[in-house]
Amino acid sequence: ILNVEQSPQSLHVQEGDSTNFTCSFPSSNFYALHWYRWETAKSPEALFVMTLNGDEKKKGRISATLNTKEGYSYLYIKGSQPEDSATYLCVNTGGFKTIFGAGTRLFVKA
Amino acid sequence: GAVVSQHPSWVICKSGTSVKIECRSLDFQATTMFWYRQFPKQSLMLMATSNEGSKATYEQGVEKDKFLINHASLTLSTLTVTSAHPEDSSFYICSAKKTAATNEKLFFGSGTQLSVL
Repeated sequence: ILNVEQSPQSLHVQEGDSTNFTCSFPSSNFYALHWYRWETAKSPEALFVMTLNGDEKKKGRISATLNTKEGYSYLYIKGSQPEDSATYLCVNTGGFKTIFGAGTRLFVKA
Repeated sequence: GAVVSQHPSWVICKSGTSVKIECRSLDFQATTMFWYRQFPKQSLMLMATSNEGSKATYEQGVEKDKFLINHASLTLSTLTVTSAHPEDSSFYICSAKKTAATNEKLFFGSGTQLSVL
């Protein structure tokens, strides 16, 4: 079983704040770590796919890092905007398993 | 970009009836499609993986005779909830991959909210 834990469960920030959340997973049987953004009433959208220890990816104000040896990934948002409000899902695909975290629900107040 | 269309968005049905949910990749051929279920305040749970032209692979605890999956073409997969009961009420969502590579990102449908009365 490749349990994926995300923290915090929810987060309220002010516009302009920078924030980060955590995804942790067992380091064994790891193949790829995905981050998705899921806005209400829309489809989850892929942000990053990372496979190598030490991977760092960036997309605009959002970036992510991966540590496969200790089993965690961080997602960072710089200068949060109201449109960043969404649920951020972390997914660990290992072998024949695809395990989702419960997500971090981000609320950005203008 | 790649678009996955899922229909219907919501459905209400009577207990004992069957409900079919469609998942279509509109602008790409999906080697693999996945079906998930999400109960309130819980994580998305993978139900099954389907590859075009072959039988779906179901996750442990998912009844294959109750949740029928057909992946007849590279652009269409369907999930049929047979003899639905109130406990089947849930949010169902599909995703698709262009290739079988593990590091290939997923393209999701918008989900179907099923309510069984």
